[in-house]
Amino acid sequence: AQTVTQSQPEMSVQEAETVTLSCTYDTSENNYYLFWYKQPPSRQMILVIRQEAYKQQNATENRFSVNFQKAAKSFSLKISDSQLGDTAMYFCAFMTDNTDKLIFGTGTRLQVFP
Amino acid sequence: DGGITQSPKYLFRKEGQNVTLSCEQNLNHDAMYWYRQDPGQGLRLIYYSQIVNDFQKGDIAEGYSVSREKKESFPLTVTSAQKNPTAFYLCASSRTRVARPYNEQFFGPGTRLTVL
Repeated sequence: AQTVTQSQPEMSVQEAETVTLSCTYDTSENNYYLFWYKQPPSRQMILVIRQEAYKQQNATENRFSVNFQKAAKSFSLKISDSQLGDTAMYFCAFMTDNTDKLIFGTGTRLQVFP
Repeated sequence: DGGITQSPKYLFRKEGQNVTLSCEQNLNHDAMYWYRQDPGQGLRLIYYSQIVNDFQKGDIAEGYSVSREKKESFPLTVTSAQKNPTAFYLCASSRTRVARPYNEQFFGPGTRLTVL
């Protein structure tokens, strides 16, 4: 079975600092896609960043970047220069190439302190 | 503006009643999805549809039903057979996998259902 594991239920970081959220996944497929979604207190799910497994280069979106280690099946999210608005639940998600179904982890609650 | 709308935002239901949650999208996406979110858990897939007049069960379909008569609309009915329906329900849409890698899912604002 394909699974996504987020081992950090809660994290906290001070404003302007850097924080890394962990995600591991399990699959026997070779082609797949990985995503990080953010869910702020409004509960609107927002796509933060995506990574195609066939790309070796780590994806970057402004202050957000990933460390994709395919052999280790690891997909961590780094948030640089943390801002108060980054306070949210962060979900790691995974999709294989032969389906449209997303598999989600249980989430990490991130609190950014001033 | 293109997006996904869900209504109502809050919904209260008495035990034994069926209730229908609305989901509409104007993104011209072929695929639509319904997820359930409970505290401390990730999103779990209830049903999904990749094309009009077709849909498939997700991981927790028991007690739910859907229809897909129009590309823009994918309503979810929570039936009285659903034993624990109180939860937050999220609708999403995407292009299908033929459009990869541009196939990420976009989400609506959600509906909070409470059974009284």
